[in-house]
Amino acid sequence: SYALTQPPSLSVSAGQTATIPCSGDNLGEKYASWYQQKPGQSPVLVIYQDVKRPSRIPDRFSGSNTGNTVTLTISGTQALDEADYFCQAWDNGVAVFGGGTRLTVL
Amino acid sequence: QVQLQESGPGLVKPSQTLSLTCSVSGGSVNNGNYYWSWIRQPAGKGLEWIGRISATGSTKYKPSLQSRVSMSVETSKNQFFLKVDSVTAADTAVYYCVREFRSGSGMFNYFDPWGQGTLVIVSS
Repeated sequence: SYALTQPPSLSVSAGQTATIPCSGDNLGEKYASWYQQKPGQSPVLVIYQDVKRPSRIPDRFSGSNTGNTVTLTISGTQALDEADYFCQAWDNGVAVFGGGTRLTVL
Repeated sequence: QVQLQESGPGLVKPSQTLSLTCSVSGGSVNNGNYYWSWIRQPAGKGLEWIGRISATGSTKYKPSLQSRVSMSVETSKNQFFLKVDSVTAADTAVYYCVREFRSGSGMFNYFDPWGQGTLVIVSS
């Protein structure tokens, strides 16, 4: 079955740029979404259709899709961005999620 | 703005049926721009899409769960429902009901917003 691969963890210093990758076969031909989940909370959509950002999400969040990898970029990372991030795409009409990346802000 | 709220038993015995309700407020399940999905998350683990239903009752399930899962919708009550048969400990998870933006091709679909989630434990 289709799989999306994310690094289990990443760390970034406050104020720096965090780059979270998500890879999968032919992912460049699909459209990805990204979800942020803080401890004890429900996931929140931060990026959809690869690059679009809901109006309530700060513009420091951005997305890209190149080749077989989609990337969530957080510019000027803040302490409140510390969370788990999940990528998601569709394969044959089935939603597939990456395993998640725990972002630690130092 | 639309809000979703899960409800149902927090404890289910092995081999029995898990049944959950999602109540939608601030919007209508009859809105053809959306599907209504269920997603679960075992403690400390990732997200697993279970399936979706439309307002007309059309469903799509994750193939590995298809034999045990059923979903239904009650538009008059603005609710939709999940049943999982023959549960085991592996079905223990937080279950989320979620609105799924619906695109023509399906490739552009995304999940927003999510309910607060309800923990279901399968144990005797």
